[in-house]
Amino acid sequence: SQTIHQWPATLVQPVGSPLSLECTVEGTSNPNLYWYRQAAGRGLQLLFYSVGIGQISSEVPQNLSASRPQDRQFILSSKKLLLSDSGFYLCAWIPRYSGNTIYFGEGSWLTVV
Amino acid sequence: AQKITQTQPGMFVQEKEAVTLDCTYDTSDPSYGLFWYKQPSSGEMIFLIYQGSYDQQNATEGRYSLNFQKARKSANLVISASQLGDSAMYFCAMRATYDMRFGAGTRLTVKP
Repeated sequence: SQTIHQWPATLVQPVGSPLSLECTVEGTSNPNLYWYRQAAGRGLQLLFYSVGIGQISSEVPQNLSASRPQDRQFILSSKKLLLSDSGFYLCAWIPRYSGNTIYFGEGSWLTVV
Repeated sequence: AQKITQTQPGMFVQEKEAVTLDCTYDTSDPSYGLFWYKQPSSGEMIFLIYQGSYDQQNATEGRYSLNFQKARKSANLVISASQLGDSAMYFCAMRATYDMRFGAGTRLTVKP
């Protein structure tokens, strides 16, 4: 079956520390992958998307970066976290040839202190 | 660039009444899909309904229906017979080619 996993679920990080959130997909190949961020009480902001290994499109210039080292792995990183990076991060997967389904990860709650 | 707009930050509805949540979009791509998601306080995204740009009829899923007006570029969600469990954040989303964006969301509160 097709699944998506995202971790860690929650983390509290000090300002200036690094970040790594990982997302993996199972049961498919060559998916379109997405990272979103949701600030408290706000909407989902598209951060990055990837249509293939090593292919990353950035939507908003900021303190974050993304990488896709393998077909079904999508990583969100930061070298030095800012307070404004706090929020709820969601990874999502859309099948390449079926546009009416979005699969979401469980989400990661990040608090930068 | 694709754009999706929800202009209602918050909505209130009485239990058992119907409510309409507004969504407008903008894209130059002739092929696109429109989604509505519900997000309770737990953060999970719950799929409600989908409408393709070439679909002739408005989508319906149980108590949810999507009022799709292509010329006006609107895709409003109608929830009939509201229940207390419908209280949540609701997001409209659009997919066009690789682009997948969400609106700012509407917080719906159902009053007993």
